[in-house]
Amino acid sequence: EPEVTQTPSHQVTQMGQEVILRCVPISNHLYFYWYRQILGQKVEFLVSFYNNEISEKSEIFDDQFSVERPDGSNFTLKIRSTKLEDSAMYFCASSLTSGRAVLSYNEQFFGPGTRLTVL
Amino acid sequence: QKEVEQNSGPLSVPEGAIASLNCTYSDRVSQSFFWYRQYSGKSPELIMSIYSNGDKEDGRFTAQLNKASQYVSLLIRDSQPSDSATYLCAVKLGLTGGGNKLTFGTGTQLKVEL
Repeated sequence: EPEVTQTPSHQVTQMGQEVILRCVPISNHLYFYWYRQILGQKVEFLVSFYNNEISEKSEIFDDQFSVERPDGSNFTLKIRSTKLEDSAMYFCASSLTSGRAVLSYNEQFFGPGTRLTVL
Repeated sequence: QKEVEQNSGPLSVPEGAIASLNCTYSDRVSQSFFWYRQYSGKSPELIMSIYSNGDKEDGRFTAQLNKASQYVSLLIRDSQPSDSATYLCAVKLGLTGGGNKLTFGTGTQLKVEL
């Protein structure tokens, strides 16, 4: 069964450093997402991406964050200058589509996550 | 104001019993509702989606939606110890204007006891 993959599984970095988190969405999916979950807290939406551009972003997704689809398979999240409060699990998700057409196509499938620790 | 609310639990049920998990949401235009299961340290795993009022059954799981009451629930029949996890309710707020993001509740921890 196709699945979303993410690398690395764990990233440790120093405050102020740049990190890039990588994701390979399910191959025929068109919408890609990043969510994060701070330890003990709820899953929070960061950004959605469709047709090579951001379709929606949350207040968390400030100028320190960027997303890119550098090739036909990878989807990346870059944090330019990490802060202590960026420490969290970062989940990539993908869906076939988004909208009314076929409702089940809205379903979002999550990758295993990258645990980011900022020291 | 919280948008998706769940009782954090833990909810303890004996093996073989029915577990009932509840979720309320604040935005009346919400159209799509999802239940995810999350084991400790793992990612959310989709187990059910529901889009219209009423019940939807899939194996031991039944999702129930009442849009008038802004309430969605998940029933797990014949609960097994392997069902012990945190169950996340997620809502897609709106169909077009709300975009395609999921808004999650804090989750309900379920413990199935032998």
